[in-house]
Amino acid sequence: LAKTTQPISMDSYEGQEVNITCSHNNIATNDYITWYQQFPSQGPRFIIQGYKTKVTNEVASLFIPADRKSSTLSLPRVSLSDTAVYYCLVGRRSNDYKLSFGAGTTVTVRA
Amino acid sequence: DAGITQSPRYKITETGRQVTLMCHQTWSHSYMFWYRQDLGHGLRLIYYSAAADITDKGEVPDGYVVSRSKTENFPLTLESATRSQTSVYFCASSAQNTGELFFGEGSRLTVL
Repeated sequence: LAKTTQPISMDSYEGQEVNITCSHNNIATNDYITWYQQFPSQGPRFIIQGYKTKVTNEVASLFIPADRKSSTLSLPRVSLSDTAVYYCLVGRRSNDYKLSFGAGTTVTVRA
Repeated sequence: DAGITQSPRYKITETGRQVTLMCHQTWSHSYMFWYRQDLGHGLRLIYYSAAADITDKGEVPDGYVVSRSKTENFPLTLESATRSQTSVYFCASSAQNTGELFFGEGSRLTVL
């Protein structure tokens, strides 16, 4: 399984854009990159998934460079409610679900 | 309501007792998972199941037993609880080939 490295914590202010970069140097050809969000006392929630280039949904954007050795989750115009832990996972979408989440990145949004 | 539910949400037990955490999903997802979350360790996979009657070990399986006789249920049993098993346990499910996990609300277990 591809190992991921992401910052332990990030601070931001309301209205700013938050970018969290995840390194995954040994990503395999069939691996996808998936990000989850977790609020205190809740289970993680799927945010976005991508394979290459850019993916955007109503919550976030995911930027993946051509070499796919890293990816960046972008949260536009964050609010206090975006304070959470964000996890980057790399793995195949089938037949290999031994996914562990790691410590994630704690994003704190301040007023 | 449809979704994934865990019970009990909170449990206090004593060392050596058997504890079973229940997980039920209504989507008929093929895959189900059990994770534990401890401060500083993120979520670690205990066991997972690809279908009824098919289970496999994850990262930290020691001290746990699972079964999956029906697609919708995936109970996790601690046969003889230890203090090191004090944790928050999350169950998750996933449809095949999507890579998207849906998590329950968690079960907070304290072993005294």
